[in-house]
Amino acid sequence: EVQLLESGGDLVQPGGSLRVSCAASGFTFSTYDMNWVRQAPGKGLEWVSVITAAANTYYADSVKGRFSISRDNSRNTLFLQMNNLRAEDTAVYYCAKSISGARPDYWGQGTLVTVSS
Amino acid sequence: DIVMTQTPLSLSVTPGQPASISCKSSQSLLQTDGKTYLYWYLQKPGQSPQLLIYELSSRFSGVPDRFSGSGSGTDFTLKISRVEAEDVGVYYCMQGIRLPLTFGGGTKVEIK
Repeated sequence: EVQLLESGGDLVQPGGSLRVSCAASGFTFSTYDMNWVRQAPGKGLEWVSVITAAANTYYADSVKGRFSISRDNSRNTLFLQMNNLRAEDTAVYYCAKSISGARPDYWGQGTLVTVSS
Repeated sequence: DIVMTQTPLSLSVTPGQPASISCKSSQSLLQTDGKTYLYWYLQKPGQSPQLLIYELSSRFSGVPDRFSGSGSGTDFTLKISRVEAEDVGVYYCMQGIRLPLTFGGGTKVEIK
């Protein structure tokens, strides 16, 4: 059974940094592209970033230059390093395994990041 | 970026009746490999999204056959043949042909 467990969400001040993690199990983590998708409170879904199995990375324009996605295949863990956080980054951050390419199939339960002073 | 537009915004359905959600993309989602990269997700209340339909019309593992996806090019439809109480939530379409992945605004389905 595929399981994705995010952690690390917190309350952060504007301009601050935070790293969220996603522990994966139930599939061969190293062979799949992995995504981060976020959802602001009461809003829809916004794709944030993907890291391919070959470790190529891609970002939404809204986070490019501030966020960095990475993976540790030895620990089956996905990361999202978020720097220079803004109020508009406040959201539940979901990690999602890809069915093919960057397209999500299984999603974690999410971790809440709140950016506020 | 490819814009995804869903209608209606909300839908109230009697159990056992059919329901239909429309999704339009600003560019064709038909790839040269012959696949149409259109996806449907359901986010039940208080839960994370779950994949229902991938590549236009393939049902994901465990998805009941009352859900079906159809369409072509830029116009797509998700149909529920007979709505059940467990189908409530927000439905999203998503294009997967090009990064950034983009989602429709969502359609909220409620039971009458």
